Amino acid sequence: QSALTQPASVSGSPGQSITISCTGTNNDVGSYNLLSWYQQHPGQAPKLIISEVSRRPSGVSNRFSGSKSGNTASLTISGLQAEDEADYYCCSYLGGSAVMFGGGTKVTVL
Amino acid sequence: QAQLVQSGAEVKKPGASVNISCKASGYTFTSYGISWVRQAPGQGLEWMGWISAHNGNTKYEEKVQDRVTMTTDTSESTAYMELRSLRPDDTAMYYCARDKYSTGLYQIWGPGTLVIVSS
Repeated sequence: QSALTQPASVSGSPGQSITISCTGTNNDVGSYNLLSWYQQHPGQAPKLIISEVSRRPSGVSNRFSGSKSGNTASLTISGLQAEDEADYYCCSYLGGSAVMFGGGTKVTVL
Repeated sequence: QAQLVQSGAEVKKPGASVNISCKASGYTFTSYGISWVRQAPGQGLEWMGWISAHNGNTKYEEKVQDRVTMTTDTSESTAYMELRSLRPDDTAMYYCARDKYSTGLYQIWGPGTLVIVSS
């Protein structure tokens, strides 16, 4: 099964809002609300920023929000800041205890 | 606080095996599972599999299932991932992550273990 589809890169100016999409199929993103988003800075382990489509873990900035429509999930970063420059990955449950990541999106703050 | 500590970097020749450890602390080890995720240089995250620390049940990703074995030692609160018949394209950072039910919800990550496969 191929990775979930994410745009390779998204950019925005400080203060702007950007949205990263994560497109799957009826068998994964479309079937379960077990969709997480991870932020990864260079040389670091990933960090959970959104779980179960739209739940924000304690300590994560409320500038990060998640949603889902059909087979596509989205991560929105509002009020873009320099520290948001990182790679972002979606991750979906596939059923049967299997999981899949998206290909990743590089966010650049202009 | 809950944390995962992984074993050190490894350099292996093609065809060899590698065994990576992931020691948990700060939480009840048997109440969660451990997933293994790898990342080749400059590439994205790839899920490899999951093991329940409660009962040892496993689920492996199809591409590696013939070469990987995940185990736990509950007395040491440690999970292990063995990957056999190593190939150069197995060169990657290998992460363990806490995941209760193998749903992709990774609140805690290890720092990663770099495995280099080269002749």
